[in-house]
Amino acid sequence: RKEVEQDPGPFNVPEGATVAFNCTYSNSASQSFFWYRQDCRKEPKLLMSVYSSGNEDGRFTAQLNRASQYISLLIRDSKLSDSATYLCVVMHGSSNTGKLIFGQGTTLQVKP
Amino acid sequence: NAGVTQTPKFQVLKTGQSMTLQCAQDMNHNSMYWYRQDPGMGLRLIYYSASEGTTDKGEVPNGYNVSRLNKREFSLRLESAAPSQTSVYFCASRTGSGTSKNIQYFGAGTRLSVL
Repeated sequence: RKEVEQDPGPFNVPEGATVAFNCTYSNSASQSFFWYRQDCRKEPKLLMSVYSSGNEDGRFTAQLNRASQYISLLIRDSKLSDSATYLCVVMHGSSNTGKLIFGQGTTLQVKP
Repeated sequence: NAGVTQTPKFQVLKTGQSMTLQCAQDMNHNSMYWYRQDPGMGLRLIYYSASEGTTDKGEVPNGYNVSRLNKREFSLRLESAAPSQTSVYFCASRTGSGTSKNIQYFGAGTRLSVL
């Protein structure tokens, strides 16, 4: 079983739609959580960190449920430019020595 | 501000050849990482260096060696390339301190084909 699991999709949605991605992680000692975005044939880039209280950045909302070991990302009012692969990432270990574990990613395709 | 720079961007090797992938960061980060990314597998950690002078194995270290040459540079070596090492390789770095301590910054990747 993978340590971080995501539905690979693809999710095909029309412009303006709301779409949600989910992710589960197996290591209960995981301490930090992130969503990264990766465009085709490019490097991953941080989209947002995920906090226990939930956090929002414009059209993007991230939620963390530690009890269920579950992370989510909600995208409202989808834009064509949101088309990308979204990587769920968890970190365990100390700030100095910690490692990031990546899910395989969920592909989003926003259609006109 | 260059961030994380990887060279080369593309490489084709024959089975059994050796090569070194170079990575340098100019952000004064403590930790550096090497990943490979294969279709359907996501990013898998090969080796990492939590600080200058230390290196540790990740999830898939077999067939690779690394050197943390100094704080800026972290190289990945394939001693005898195999077709199974055909992949996209990403280097990343992380400061490990301050408000953005856990954020990793990635290089643009090296696309390696082993024939």
